[in-house]
Amino acid sequence: GENVEQHPSTLSVQEGDSAVIKCTYSDSASNYFPWYKQELGKRPQLIIDIRSNVGEKKDQRIAVTLNKTAKHFSLHITETQPEDSAVYFCAATLLGGKLIFGQGTELSVKP
Amino acid sequence: DTAVSQTPKYLVTQMGNDKSIKCEQNLGHDTMYWYKQDSKKFLKIMFSYNNKELIINETVPNRFSPKSPDKAHLNLHINSLELGDSAVYFCASSQDLATPEQYFGPGTRLTVT
Repeated sequence: GENVEQHPSTLSVQEGDSAVIKCTYSDSASNYFPWYKQELGKRPQLIIDIRSNVGEKKDQRIAVTLNKTAKHFSLHITETQPEDSAVYFCAATLLGGKLIFGQGTELSVKP
Repeated sequence: DTAVSQTPKYLVTQMGNDKSIKCEQNLGHDTMYWYKQDSKKFLKIMFSYNNKELIINETVPNRFSPKSPDKAHLNLHINSLELGDSAVYFCASSQDLATPEQYFGPGTRLTVT
């Protein structure tokens, strides 16, 4: 069945360092891969996404890469700041909008 | 203006009761969803509706019944609440089935005692 694996489950970095979170998906028909950031007690917020016809997308300090052959996609955050601390979720979806989420990564950025 | 809103924000109730959570979106979207986030933060889809029609119905106990009176509203009714129903329930919406970007409501924290 559909499955998304996300690693690591926790990640601690120093302010200014880079952070990388990796996901793999099982259904090769998946064509849309969003990343959500969830602060404590808040809603998941869409921060960046990528479609299956694109290999990389960047938005300021965040970037996402997709390897369709390996069914991997990754979130890269550069120059991390304390306000980047949150739980990050990757997801994959087919047409019809059924998002399958990864297990989440708790990112802690230490000042 | 709040794009996707839910009421109530917190809900504490006893086992066996029936409760409802309401969701409204003012984005003009056609598609709405319900997700459950458990104590380990895992997010799982429960239902989706497109223009008031049920599209996705995951393996959810039939004690859970979604209702969409119009495409701007998707409510969730839960009968005979159980301890295991305690979770945060998120509503979300997207433009339509072909536009996958989903925007989440603030969540409803349900505690069953």
